[in-house]
Amino acid sequence: KQEVTQIPAALSVPEGENLVLNCSFTDSAIYNLQWFRQDPGKGLTSLLLIQSSQREQTSGRLNASLDKSSGRSTLYIAASQPGDSATYLCAAYQGAQKLVFGQGTRLTINP
Amino acid sequence: GAGVSQTPSNKVTEKGKYVELRCDPISGHTALYWYRQSLGQGPEFLIYFQGTGAADDSGLPNDRFFAVRPEGSVSTLKIQRTERGDSAVYLCASSFSGGANEQYFGPGTRLTVT
Repeated sequence: KQEVTQIPAALSVPEGENLVLNCSFTDSAIYNLQWFRQDPGKGLTSLLLIQSSQREQTSGRLNASLDKSSGRSTLYIAASQPGDSATYLCAAYQGAQKLVFGQGTRLTINP
Repeated sequence: GAGVSQTPSNKVTEKGKYVELRCDPISGHTALYWYRQSLGQGPEFLIYFQGTGAADDSGLPNDRFFAVRPEGSVSTLKIQRTERGDSAVYLCASSFSGGANEQYFGPGTRLTVT
């Protein structure tokens, strides 16, 4: 059974810093891994999907990496802005049908 | 184009009542998923539809929960004899053909059972 863990639960950094969010998973035989953003009281916005055959995926200031052998994924955010403040969720596919989510990292960017 | 929509956005009901939550997926997406998110937690899988059939309902917590997708588009999550522990945000997602493709989520329905 796939289990996903995100550490830390909360992170606060000053504006302009580069930062890394961590995600670990227990079953290395994953299909794909997806990173989401969730604003308070809102649904989930998909940020990046990394396929199991890829090692990384980039979109604008975001870069996500995947290391199946170590059971880890990271989300790198460059030049952080106050608008990046949100909860970031990592989710790994269990089989090819359902996502297993971590508890999320609540990110605050201070102006 | 239009994203995933869910109605109602908020639902308050009394313990023991029946509720229905609706999800409209992105047009052309054959796969539809329901998740439940409790406060401070990540979403938890409930059920997955491929077309009209439930391909995986292993996440439904008990037989009070049931979901349908009769025409392969709109889905309804039905909860009978609601309990206070059912209070959560119910999220719906869709993807193009399933198979670990990217999932797109709706805004959710916040259910409160009093």
